[in-house]
Amino acid sequence: TQLLEQSPQFLSIQEGENLTVYCNSSSVFSSLQWYRQEPGEGPVLLVTVVTGGEVKKLKRLTFQFGDARKDSSLHITAAQPGDTGLYLCAGSLTGNQFYFGTGTSLTVIP
Amino acid sequence: EAGVAQSPRYKIIEKRQSVAFWCNPISGHATLYWYQQILGQGPKLLIQFQNNGVVDDSQLPKDRFSAERLKGVDSTLKIQPAKLEDSAVYLCASSADRGRGYTFGSGTRLTVV
Repeated sequence: TQLLEQSPQFLSIQEGENLTVYCNSSSVFSSLQWYRQEPGEGPVLLVTVVTGGEVKKLKRLTFQFGDARKDSSLHITAAQPGDTGLYLCAGSLTGNQFYFGTGTSLTVIP
Repeated sequence: EAGVAQSPRYKIIEKRQSVAFWCNPISGHATLYWYQQILGQGPKLLIQFQNNGVVDDSQLPKDRFSAERLKGVDSTLKIQPAKLEDSAVYLCASSADRGRGYTFGSGTRLTVV
């Protein structure tokens, strides 16, 4: 049983479209992170959110931590082919280690 | 700063053979992790070190997997004997402290045939 479920599992969109990826759990997290992973490489940290309701923006990416700190979303505006990759959320229960979600594979078609 | 170094990048072995992976974390990072990632899935933690001590190895299949981090720097992960289901990417990550963001290496892609 996965601690963090992501949806959708796969997403294929046209360049310029908007999209949202969801990360859900029944557990409460002390902090949550989002990573992006390209083929053949390790995941790269995008953002860390720690406060319920927190919203962080990174250029065209907007990250939100749920009020109850059980879920999170990643919204990409005007997707570009360079956004293609596997998006992973990771949550920490105790501040000791992070548990990774099931992943969302995004393909942006030029 | 230099990133997390892993070697080899690729390895193909026959089932029942043994294999070892090496990781050199970012200098000064006390915490080191080994993850197993099946294609298209999220990484699964195998073992976590704090300096040269094991913090969590609850998901490490100890009958065939072993790991060590001598002197609190480099680490090796070994599989003996390998099974077909061990085919995966093995990622090493380090962080300055537990609970901080991880820096991952590029991983070792293992294929067991």
